Amino acid sequence: SQTIHQWPATLVQPVGSPLSLECTVEGTSNPNLYWYRQAAGRGLQLLFYSIGIDQISSEVPQNLSASRPQDRQFILSSKKLLLSDSGFYLCAWSPGHSYEQYFGPGTRLTVT
Amino acid sequence: QKEVEQNSGPLSVPEGAIASLNCTYSDRGSQSFFWYRQYSGKSPELIMSIYSNGDKEDGRFTAQLNKASQYVSLLIRDSQPSDSATYLCAVNSLYNFNKFYFGSGTKLNVKP
Repeated sequence: SQTIHQWPATLVQPVGSPLSLECTVEGTSNPNLYWYRQAAGRGLQLLFYSIGIDQISSEVPQNLSASRPQDRQFILSSKKLLLSDSGFYLCAWSPGHSYEQYFGPGTRLTVT
Repeated sequence: QKEVEQNSGPLSVPEGAIASLNCTYSDRGSQSFFWYRQYSGKSPELIMSIYSNGDKEDGRFTAQLNKASQYVSLLIRDSQPSDSATYLCAVNSLYNFNKFYFGSGTKLNVKP
């Protein structure tokens, strides 16, 4: 069966500090991978998605970036965090386009 | 106009009643539709997927799709307090099948 991991689970970072969130998927190959952010009490905002290694699409222009160094690894990064980057970051995988997405446990980021 | 619209609620139903959650979408050519349940502080969990017009039943859950009206709904029979959560509707993009739009969710409260 497939499993998706995210770490860390929670993170408190000062404004201007860097960020690295990691997501890995087990039990499948060549998945579509997604990064979402959910602000408190709000819906899901798609940040990035990837259909393959080094194939990453950015949905929202901002100070975040994503990389996919391996087939089942997806990394979300920032060089300098803003207060507005606080939120619940969710990684998801899908077996292909138009198919269901499965979410990881999420990382709760607080920027102070 | 948002791609996916849901009533934010809260929707309150007594235990044992039928809860009806609704979602409308704007992309007429969308092919895939999903319902997720999200407990407070947790990541979304897939409940149902539906791809064709009509009803799809899975246990106490029934998803209904009407592509002509661009409407998808979720019925929960014999509602339980454990069903209290936010329910998210997701629809794939007509122009990019790798991309999904999520509604902002409907909060359901099932009262014992």
